[in-house]
Amino acid sequence: QKEVEQDPGPLSVPEGAIVSLNCTYSNSAFQYFMWYRQYSRKGPELLMYTYSSGNKEDGRFTAQVDKSSKYISLFIRDSQPSDSATYLCAMSASGGSYIPTFGRGTSLIVHP
Amino acid sequence: GAVVSQHPSRVICKSGTSVKIECRSLDFQATTMFWYRQFPKQSLMLMATSNEGSKATYEQGVEKDKFLINHASLTLSTLTVTSAHPEDSSFYICSARDRLAFGYTFGSGTRLTVV
Repeated sequence: QKEVEQDPGPLSVPEGAIVSLNCTYSNSAFQYFMWYRQYSRKGPELLMYTYSSGNKEDGRFTAQVDKSSKYISLFIRDSQPSDSATYLCAMSASGGSYIPTFGRGTSLIVHP
Repeated sequence: GAVVSQHPSRVICKSGTSVKIECRSLDFQATTMFWYRQFPKQSLMLMATSNEGSKATYEQGVEKDKFLINHASLTLSTLTVTSAHPEDSSFYICSARDRLAFGYTFGSGTRLTVV
């Protein structure tokens, strides 16, 4: 079993839809949970991060962590074609100094 | 915010030749940089940790003689793929950490095609 599991998709939705992206993990030591967005042929960029359980909102994006279930989610409201990208979850046992473990990424396509 | 510049963005080389990829932290100093490899629809695979002024640390299964890493200054790390073969064709990405920011910043990646 991989440490971080993420469905590669693709996930295709119409513009304006609410998108739900998810990851599960097995390492209970993970404390920091990150979401990266990667456009085609580009490096990943950090979208959001959360510490421990709970929710965090940033504009149209909401990150949710349920440590009891070892399950994290990223919700995108009012999705736009410009949101089309691969979204990678990542986790680490400590803060920014620890190298994160990445999921394989979910490809999201938002069509007009 | 922290910026990591990676060059070239794309390179095509003949089998048997060597290719050098540069990774620069533009507005911060990075004593440690990381090199990843990514296959289509696959996750980032950490290849090695580049340490300024000392030898790189390679992950299990990564050939250090094939993937030469040099971290000569606090802002520059290079990855040289030696005697490249078609199976080395992949997307290579570097990253570094600005201590004033959370997490790691990634370069824009290098698409290597060996023909």
